[in-house]
Amino acid sequence: GENVEQHPSTLSVQEGDSAVIKCTYSDSASNYFPWYKQELGKGPQLIIDIRSNVGEKKDQRIAVTLNKTAKHFSLHITETQPEDSAVYFCAASRNDYKLSFGAGTTVTVRA
Amino acid sequence: IAGITQAPTSQILAAGRRMTLRCTQDMRHNAMYWYRQDLGLGLRLIHYSNTAGTTGKGEVPDGYSVSRANTDDFPLTLASAVPSQTSVYFCASAPGVHTGELFFGEGSRLTVL
Repeated sequence: GENVEQHPSTLSVQEGDSAVIKCTYSDSASNYFPWYKQELGKGPQLIIDIRSNVGEKKDQRIAVTLNKTAKHFSLHITETQPEDSAVYFCAASRNDYKLSFGAGTTVTVRA
Repeated sequence: IAGITQAPTSQILAAGRRMTLRCTQDMRHNAMYWYRQDLGLGLRLIHYSNTAGTTGKGEVPDGYSVSRANTDDFPLTLASAVPSQTSVYFCASAPGVHTGELFFGEGSRLTVL
């Protein structure tokens, strides 16, 4: 099955700086790569996703890049704000089916 | 807007007891999932259901069972709880099997002593 590794496990950034989280996956047939954000006491929520036919996707301060050759993808958050503090999960799947999640990254934005 | 409702929010359970975690969605989604979340391990799929009347095993199904009698409800049962089942359990749904975004409930924190 798919194995997704996520780094770092914790990340502390100064407000206004950028944050980058990296994930690698093992199944070369995976073609769907979402990112979820989990706030304290809540369930995860989708913030952005990318499919294997594109290399980059942006949504305001959030961007995701995908390198299918190297089997890794990354989440970039620019101009971080206190509300960006949360746990972030990457995931991978074939055809959007039965996601395999990374272990999560706890992001803390320091004021 | 309710979305997905899980119950109970939190429960302490003695080892060996039977426990059912409830999950109800009002979005008429076909696909439903149960994940467990453990520190350092992320979210792991326990069981899933592609549509009412069908279920399947995920990555960590042992010790758990599910049923999908109708579209809205997807209960998870621990027949005889063990301490290793201490975790936070999340129910999720999606419009279909291959439709991307999962919608998660707020979780059920289970402690087995």
